[in-house]
Amino acid sequence: GQNIDQPTEMTATEGAIVQINCTYQTSGFNGLFWYQQHAGEAPTFLSYNVLDGLEEKGRFSSFLSRSKGYSYLLLKELQMKDSASYLCAVTRSNDYKLSFGAGTTVTVRA
Amino acid sequence: SQTIHQWPATLVQPVGSPLSLECTVEGTSNPNLYWYRQAAGRGLQLLFYSVGIGQISSEVPQNLSASRPQDRQFILSSKKLLLSDSGFYLCAWSGGGEETQYFGPGTRLLVL
Repeated sequence: GQNIDQPTEMTATEGAIVQINCTYQTSGFNGLFWYQQHAGEAPTFLSYNVLDGLEEKGRFSSFLSRSKGYSYLLLKELQMKDSASYLCAVTRSNDYKLSFGAGTTVTVRA
Repeated sequence: SQTIHQWPATLVQPVGSPLSLECTVEGTSNPNLYWYRQAAGRGLQLLFYSVGIGQISSEVPQNLSASRPQDRQFILSSKKLLLSDSGFYLCAWSGGGEETQYFGPGTRLLVL
C-alpha cells in the first residue's frame, strides 16, 4: 500500500511564497510528480523528481528527500492564476502507474 | 506534438443506463493509456490501464470496464450506471520511455 499525505488547503498573498509539503510511504519508491489542476480542468504536469535535491523551473521548484519520504513544491512570486489544486503523485520501480495524493488547494489573495 | 482527446465533455445519464466514454491520442505510437476518476474534492483514482491493444488491467472492482480496440484509442464503458459513478473521468497517456502522464480534458459525468 501507499500513504501519500499533503495539506488540504493553503492560502497566500499575491507576490508571496508558498511551500506545499508531501510525505509518502511507498515500497519500491521510484520518483515523485507534481501536477497543477485548475478547478474544472485536467491536471497539468509541473515537475518530476527522482534524485534527492532541488529542481527549479522558473517560479516553481520541487524538492525531494528519498531517505525522509518527503517532497515539497515551492511557488514563488505568487500570481492570482496560481490559485489551483496541486497534486503529489509517486511511482514505484518497474511500475508506470501513478498514485496520487488528495491534492492541496492553494488560494492566492490580492 | 502529441495531443489527447476525450468526448463527450459533459454527460448527464439516468441510473441504469449504459455508458461509453472515448479517448484518443495523436502523435505517438504504442502509448500506455490510463483511465482515472476524480470525485468532487477528491484525488485521482486509477481505474484501468493498458500497455497495448487488447491489454487491460483493472485497479478497482466496479461496474465499469475498459477496452482498447486500437493502439491510440481507449474506451470506458458501463452496462448500467450507478449514482456513485458520477465524477470527473480523465484519460491519460505516457510513452517514449518516460513515466510522465499527460491528461486529456476530461469528461464530467452526472448520474441522476
